[in-house]
Amino acid sequence: AQSVTQLGSHVSVSEGALVLLRCNYSSSVPPYLFWYVQYPNQGLQLLLKYTTGATLVKGINGFEAEFKKSETSFHLTKPSAHMSDAAEYFCAVSDRGGYQKVTFGTGTKLQVIP
Amino acid sequence: DADVTQTPRNRITKTGKRIMLECSQTKGHDRMYWYRQDPGLGLRLIYYSFDVKDINKGEISDGYSVSRQAQAKFSLSLESAIPNQTALYFCATSDGTRSYNEQFFGPGTRLTVL
Repeated sequence: AQSVTQLGSHVSVSEGALVLLRCNYSSSVPPYLFWYVQYPNQGLQLLLKYTTGATLVKGINGFEAEFKKSETSFHLTKPSAHMSDAAEYFCAVSDRGGYQKVTFGTGTKLQVIP
Repeated sequence: DADVTQTPRNRITKTGKRIMLECSQTKGHDRMYWYRQDPGLGLRLIYYSFDVKDINKGEISDGYSVSRQAQAKFSLSLESAIPNQTALYFCATSDGTRSYNEQFFGPGTRLTVL
């Protein structure tokens, strides 16, 4: 069975500082990996995804994530935090075949301090 | 216009009442999902549907039922609401022809059961 662990339910960074949100997954086969963002009072929207190919993937709003198979990780980073990045971020893992069940992590709330 | 819409956006009801949450999509996707979000628990899958005649239980289907009235419409019902069903409910869609299960979310319905 696949699972996702997000370390830290709350992360605070200063505006302009590096953002690092951690995600580790467990899967019997190489999975598809996703990061979603949820702004207040909105649904989730896709930030980026890893399906195949290059292990460093770039997403919207300057975010990127690197798939590290040996570490079973897919951490999300952004070099310089902006106030508008304050939101909740969800890592998700999906099977590659069949039903393609998606399992979401419990989320990390990012606070950006002026 | 939003691709995935949910009605109502907010609902307060009493224990024992029957409630229906509705979801419509204009994305032309075949797959639709209902999730609930609780603080600290992330998103949990209630039901999913691969097409009008294919409906499946998710991990927390007890106390819920669904109806796929058309490819574009997927409704969630709480037959007899109870307070622990107070949560944020999301509808999502995905394209079953894709190799990866990228999901597109509605804005959510905040349900409070008193």
